[in-house]
Amino acid sequence: AQSVAQPEDQVNVAEGNPLTVKCTYSVSGNPYLFWYVQYPNRGLQFLLKYITGDNLVKGSYGFEAEFNKSQTSFHLKKPSALVSDSALYFCAVESRDDYKLSFGAGTTVTVRA
Amino acid sequence: DGGITQSPKYLFRKEGQNVTLSCEQNLNHDAMYWYRQDPGQGLRLIYYSQIVNDFQKGDIAEGYSVSREKKESFPLTVTSAQKNPTAFYLCASSMSDYSNQPQHFGDGTRLSIL
Repeated sequence: AQSVAQPEDQVNVAEGNPLTVKCTYSVSGNPYLFWYVQYPNRGLQFLLKYITGDNLVKGSYGFEAEFNKSQTSFHLKKPSALVSDSALYFCAVESRDDYKLSFGAGTTVTVRA
Repeated sequence: DGGITQSPKYLFRKEGQNVTLSCEQNLNHDAMYWYRQDPGQGLRLIYYSQIVNDFQKGDIAEGYSVSREKKESFPLTVTSAQKNPTAFYLCASSMSDYSNQPQHFGDGTRLSIL
């Protein structure tokens, strides 16, 4: 069975500073990896995905993520955070065995002005 | 605009009552999903459907039921057997269950107990 860990419940950064949200995963075989963002009382919005190829994936709103197979990690990054990036972020892994998504518990990001 | 519409936004259930949450999509997606979100637990899969008139149980199906009579619609019924139904319920869809396509989400229904 696959699983996802987001080791930080909360991440706090100042506007303009780099933002990193950590994610590690466990899955048999090669994974599909996703990041989603959720604003209060809204559904999840897709940010980016890793399927294969280049380990650095670029997504929406200036976000990117780096896939590291040896460390089984898929950390989300943004070079310069904005106050509007404050939200709940979810990492998810999809197994190529059953194509089901497993979500991490989420990381709340707060960007202070 | 294409998207997923969930209704109602807020719903209250009395003891012993069944309630139905609506989910409609106009994205022409084959696969649809229901998730339950509780604080600090991420999303857990309740039911999913890959095609009309077919659906499968997810990780926490007990106390819930679904139907998929139309491609566009995937309603979820929270039955009286679900003893802890208070949660935020999210519906999603994707082009296909057997793919790496991202899921598109509705804005959720918040269910509470009266």
